[in-house]
Amino acid sequence: QKEVEQNSGPLSVPEGAIASLNCTYSDRGSQSFFWYRQYSGKSPELIMSIYSNGDKEDGRFTAQLNKASQYVSLLIRDSQPSDSATYLCAVASRDDKIIFGKGTRLHILP
Amino acid sequence: DAGVIQSPRHEVTEMGQEVTLRCKPISGHNSLFWYRQTMMRGLELLIYFNNNVPIDDSGMPEDRFSAKMPNASFSTLKIQPSEPRDSAVYFCASSPLRLASGISGANVLTFGAGSRLTVL
Repeated sequence: QKEVEQNSGPLSVPEGAIASLNCTYSDRGSQSFFWYRQYSGKSPELIMSIYSNGDKEDGRFTAQLNKASQYVSLLIRDSQPSDSATYLCAVASRDDKIIFGKGTRLHILP
Repeated sequence: DAGVIQSPRHEVTEMGQEVTLRCKPISGHNSLFWYRQTMMRGLELLIYFNNNVPIDDSGMPEDRFSAKMPNASFSTLKIQPSEPRDSAVYFCASSPLRLASGISGANVLTFGAGSRLTVL
């Protein structure tokens, strides 16, 4: 059973601080890794994609991938109230099957 | 592009009735996914298609669920007969195929707005 695991939260972070979100996956053959953000009542939207080990930065967001540990993380710097949402980790296997974790609810405290 | 288009946005029906959800993927995207989202189970993959061919339907909960993709621009998810436990938000998403998109765009999903189904 291929799985993607996330802490459901809620994770509360003060405005301006760094939010750290984590995800583990079970399929060692996974090829592509994603973070999606979902606001209440809306559909998921892509925040970051990462395909190789290491860090990838895009503005205030940094995705980190460690395939040996089967671990993906997302860091959000200078957290803003607008970052309050559910963050979904997604993993694509070799056959392009894309599985999501249940998501972590993030609350940014003003 | 108008993005992934789903219909209906909301559906309220009675137990036992047939429900058909529709999806139009982004033009040029070769992969189409159907997901179901509930508070308890999160976003579950039901089925996905590559080039209109169903690849994996292991997530389809029961024989009451069926999905088709007759051409590259249209897909349906049908529930017959519907039950109250089918109440959820159903999302359709499309992506370019990994081989076609190259490394940087591989498997990036664009979601539709979702169809909220309530079965009474």
